[in-house]
Amino acid sequence: DQQVKQNSPSLSVQEGRISILNCDYTNSMFDYFLWYKKYPAEGPTFLISISSIKDKNEDGRFTVFLNKSAKHLSLHIVPSQPGDSAVYFCAALELNTPLVFGKGTRLSVIA
Amino acid sequence: EAGVAQSPRYKIIEKRQSVAFWCNPISGHATLYWYQQILGQGPKLLIQFQNNGVVDDSQLPKDRFSAERLKGVDSTLKIQPAKLEDSAVYLCASSPGPIWDREKSTQYFGPGTRLTVL
Repeated sequence: DQQVKQNSPSLSVQEGRISILNCDYTNSMFDYFLWYKKYPAEGPTFLISISSIKDKNEDGRFTVFLNKSAKHLSLHIVPSQPGDSAVYFCAALELNTPLVFGKGTRLSVIA
Repeated sequence: EAGVAQSPRYKIIEKRQSVAFWCNPISGHATLYWYQQILGQGPKLLIQFQNNGVVDDSQLPKDRFSAERLKGVDSTLKIQPAKLEDSAVYLCASSPGPIWDREKSTQYFGPGTRLTVL
C-alpha cells in the first residue's frame, strides 16, 4: 500500500514557464513533507520542506504548497530552467517512523 | 563541506555471492541511513543508525542483509548470499540529528552503489 503517491511519472515544461509537480498521501499522521531532486548517477538532493502547520513554504524559485484536507502537496518551480531537469521525489514523515518516498516524477525542461 | 561518500559505485556479482558496500557520512552527522532503491521506485529504508546503535532495522531482510557502524562513523552494508531481486541502487544518507528532530533531520545522500545480480 503506497502511502505517498506521485501519479505523474513524467512532465515536460518549456523553459521559463511554471513546473507543477504533484504528490498525494494517504496517512493523516504525516506531519512533515520534503521534496528531493535527483540527477542521473547521483543521490537525491534535498530541495525544500514543509511542516504540516504551514500551507506554504518558499525558497527562491521553489514553492511547496500543502493542502491537508485534500492530503495533497505540490511543488512549483518558477521560472523553470533546463538545469531543473531531474527526477523529483516527494517524501513524508510521521513521528519516529522512516521517511516514506513516492516513486518520483521525471521533469524535462525544454529550451 | 565534503558530502556522503560511498564505494564502490558499481558492482556486478552472480547470485549466491556476497557483496559489501561502504559509506562515510558527513563529518559530525550522528544519524546514518541505508536505503534500497529499485528501478522505478522511491528509496526504501533498510536500516537507521543513531551514532553506533541501531534505531530501526524493521525493513532489513536479516536472513541475508547485515549492517554495522563501528565507532559511530563509517558504515558497511553486506548482502550474503545475494539474490536476483537484490539488484538495485543502495543509497547511504546521513543527518545531523535523529529523524524526530525536524530541524536536524534533513538527510544528505551519497551517490549510491548500483548493484547488479546476475
